[in-house]
Amino acid sequence: DAKTTQPPSMDCAEGRAANLPCNHSTISGNEYVYWYRQIHSQGPQYIIHGLKNNETNEMASLIITEDRKSSTLILPHATLRDTAVYYCIVRGPYNQGGKLIFGQGTELSVKP
Amino acid sequence: DSGVTQTPKHLITATGQRVTLRCSPRSGDLSVYWYQQSLDQGLQFLIQYYNGEERAKGNILERFSAQQFPDLHSELNLSSLELGDSALYFCASSVEASGAKHNEQFFGPGTRLTVL
Repeated sequence: DAKTTQPPSMDCAEGRAANLPCNHSTISGNEYVYWYRQIHSQGPQYIIHGLKNNETNEMASLIITEDRKSSTLILPHATLRDTAVYYCIVRGPYNQGGKLIFGQGTELSVKP
Repeated sequence: DSGVTQTPKHLITATGQRVTLRCSPRSGDLSVYWYQQSLDQGLQFLIQYYNGEERAKGNILERFSAQQFPDLHSELNLSSLELGDSALYFCASSVEASGAKHNEQFFGPGTRLTVL
């Protein structure tokens, strides 16, 4: 499985967009980029995933560079409840499922 | 609420003891994953079951074992417990069906194990 690199921590002002970067320079052509978050000690929560096109859902947007070596998770209007550890994970083809390999993630602090 | 349930929420036991953690997956999900989260190791994959069969193994100790039952619930058995086994244990489930619209994993609230 490809490895990812994320900054250990970031701050964001409440109401502003939070942009969380992730590097995955060794990603293979059929591997997807997934984002999960973990609020305090709760179970990780799925946010979004993508292959090569930009994706958007009710929680966030995912921007993947054209060479697929990096991506950015965007929370458009961060709230205090978005304070969490965000994990960027590279994983095999979507329909094959498989284990998730978590790195250290980025600890996002949303401040009033 | 992810739809995945785990019991018990908290478990306090002594070294050398044996415990069983239980997980009920979301309705319709065939695959169950177990993960361990400790302060020094982060979130680590332990083992996966799919429709009753073991599918993948991660960094699971020989003192640990798991199974998935015909009703698809799963149990993680931890024996000869050591202080270092103190951690959060998460169960996750996913449908894992080819062509399924959603194959992402849904995590339960976890079981916090404290070994004294």
